[in-house]
Amino acid sequence: DGGITQSPKYLFRKEGQNVTLSCEQNLNHDAMYWYRQDPGQGLRLIYYSQIVNDFQKGDIAEGYSVSREKKESFPLTVTSAQKNPTAFYLCASSTQANTEAFFGQGTRLTVV
Amino acid sequence: AQSVTQLDSQVPVFEEAPVELRCNYSSSVSVYLFWYVQYPNQGLQLLLKYLSGSTLVKGINGFEAEFNKSQTSFHLRKPSVHISDTAEYFCAVNGGFKTIFGAGTRLFVKA
Repeated sequence: DGGITQSPKYLFRKEGQNVTLSCEQNLNHDAMYWYRQDPGQGLRLIYYSQIVNDFQKGDIAEGYSVSREKKESFPLTVTSAQKNPTAFYLCASSTQANTEAFFGQGTRLTVV
Repeated sequence: AQSVTQLDSQVPVFEEAPVELRCNYSSSVSVYLFWYVQYPNQGLQLLLKYLSGSTLVKGINGFEAEFNKSQTSFHLRKPSVHISDTAEYFCAVNGGFKTIFGAGTRLFVKA
């Protein structure tokens, strides 16, 4: 079945450690996105990529980094510079930039 | 710049009653509009979308929405809700390469 796979579903890390969240899609979509979700704030865009080897900062990119070496993969690294990393992270993809997005099941990151 | 305002953070309603979740948007360009649903600890699933054409859009699970350009609104409606409709609903707008989401409306259906 086609879709987007995020792993792991739950992730615990100590403060000060970098952590990488995985996102893989087999939908042959060009565009991929990372969102952060906090209670009562909706989804905020961290990074997005329209094509392989290219990506742009979203609204809250500070403390995060991404790569897009393959069309299918768009991993997100939460660095120690991110001041409040505990959140629910959602990866999405779309065929074109302004069409509907298909979402993964999310990764809940808890930093202790 | 685009923005989305969902006017209600929570909407409690009894089973089999009608419901309307309100969404207003602002944009300086033509936009595409979406409603997504999110069940606890899951990703978002598309309910319906407005790209062009008829202003009344029908989606999955019996939901529909009406695009009103003069009022810049895209309210979501369902004539009779079920317990299983309890979830969070997000309105979203896209006028370029970014999709902007509202803060969400939590629909709580009571027996």
